[in-house]
Amino acid sequence: GQQVMQIPQYQHVQEGEDFTTYCNSSTTLSNIQWYKQRPGGHPVFLIQLVKSGEVKKQKRLTFQFGEAKKNSSLHITATQTTDVGTYFCAGLTMTTDSWGKFQFGAGTQVVVTP
Amino acid sequence: GAVVSQHPSWVICKSGTSVKIECRSLDFQATTMFWYRQFPKQSLMLMATSNEGSKATYEQGVEKDKFLINHASLTLSTLTVTSAHPEDSSFYICSARDWREHYNEQFFGPGTRLTVL
Repeated sequence: GQQVMQIPQYQHVQEGEDFTTYCNSSTTLSNIQWYKQRPGGHPVFLIQLVKSGEVKKQKRLTFQFGEAKKNSSLHITATQTTDVGTYFCAGLTMTTDSWGKFQFGAGTQVVVTP
Repeated sequence: GAVVSQHPSWVICKSGTSVKIECRSLDFQATTMFWYRQFPKQSLMLMATSNEGSKATYEQGVEKDKFLINHASLTLSTLTVTSAHPEDSSFYICSARDWREHYNEQFFGPGTRLTVL
């Protein structure tokens, strides 16, 4: 079955540094979404990528969708303490009933050191 | 964004009892709702997909007789954990999609923390 792998599992970052988390799917995705979950909270939608090679930016966050639509990355520049949390990617594959199904990666837990 | 509520936010029950969790879309009609469970420091595992007016589709390994899902209306889905046991203790999160307004985006509820003694 479809697998979505996310690395690294943990990321310790000094405040002000950049980091990247990667998401890889064993199958071609219809689209990919990124979510952020703060400790004790629920996942909050960040962005959706649909097109092959798509790049989207949200302030210090840059999201990329690979040409083959099987991998994606989230790059954060100048990390701040507010970036603490776990970042999940969720890949959508279409199913025969056409509703589609998301599979979440394991998440990257980000800890920021002041 | 759209709002999804979940009730209760936490529940403690004795082993062998059943627990019902409600998931409501407050300001949109959710044609599809998803139920996930999340163990501490782990990812969200999809349990089932619930489409309004039809039977839920369960993921492999999820017992449909243990985790009863009912999507009775476009704004409400319920998950009933029957004969709960300590290993069912987890964080249960629902999400809802509205294909007509927010294509593919999932709106998550705040989650329900279930503890089975």
